[in-house]
Amino acid sequence: QVQLGQSGAEVKKPGASVKVSCKASGYTFTSYDINWVRQAAGQGLEWMGWVNPKNGNAGYGQKFQGRVTMTTNTSITTVYMELSSLRIEDTAVYYCARGLRGDVWGQGTTVTVSS
Amino acid sequence: DIQMTQSPSSLSASLGDRVTITCRASQTVNSYLNWYQQKPGKAPKLLIYAASSLHIGVPSRFSGSGFGTEFTLTISSLQPEDSASYFCQQSYSFPYSFGQGTKLEIK
Repeated sequence: QVQLGQSGAEVKKPGASVKVSCKASGYTFTSYDINWVRQAAGQGLEWMGWVNPKNGNAGYGQKFQGRVTMTTNTSITTVYMELSSLRIEDTAVYYCARGLRGDVWGQGTTVTVSS
Repeated sequence: DIQMTQSPSSLSASLGDRVTITCRASQTVNSYLNWYQQKPGKAPKLLIYAASSLHIGVPSRFSGSGFGTEFTLTISSLQPEDSASYFCQQSYSFPYSFGQGTKLEIK
């Protein structure tokens, strides 16, 4: 069935980078954009950006510009979100979600930033 | 950027009640409005897309309406499993902003 499977939890120090993966299965990978959304504990959902798996085009929220990079590897139907210069306040669950509708979501990846 | 404002931020209702959650956009999003349900520790689940289209497998007690800047999510007869947080999201223009969420509790 249609699934997005994310990589496991990460613990990072402030200033480091983290790269989260999202593997798509059960559908034509290049037919849907992938969006990245994060959620800090007890907080709402925050949209970070999108990537087009067909051509690699990406767009990012202004808050993340210069710190985030979203890429794709079509040979293994996987998209990646790399966030650099991590801060304590980047501690959150990071989700990938399919398309304009967000009809399929990954299970989430917990990223903890702590000294 | 388009700001999405949900109301109420929380509510408590009884089984069988009709419940309505409102989402307002700071500028038009046409019908590019999604509604999600999220339970603790889980990823959000799509309920409604394009403002009023029911996602496959979602119970028919959920419905959405609206266009432009004002939208509503209605649960016609509240069930125990509807206890959750609900979020709206516009997918009309980047950044695809979310409302702040509505926490629904069953009395």
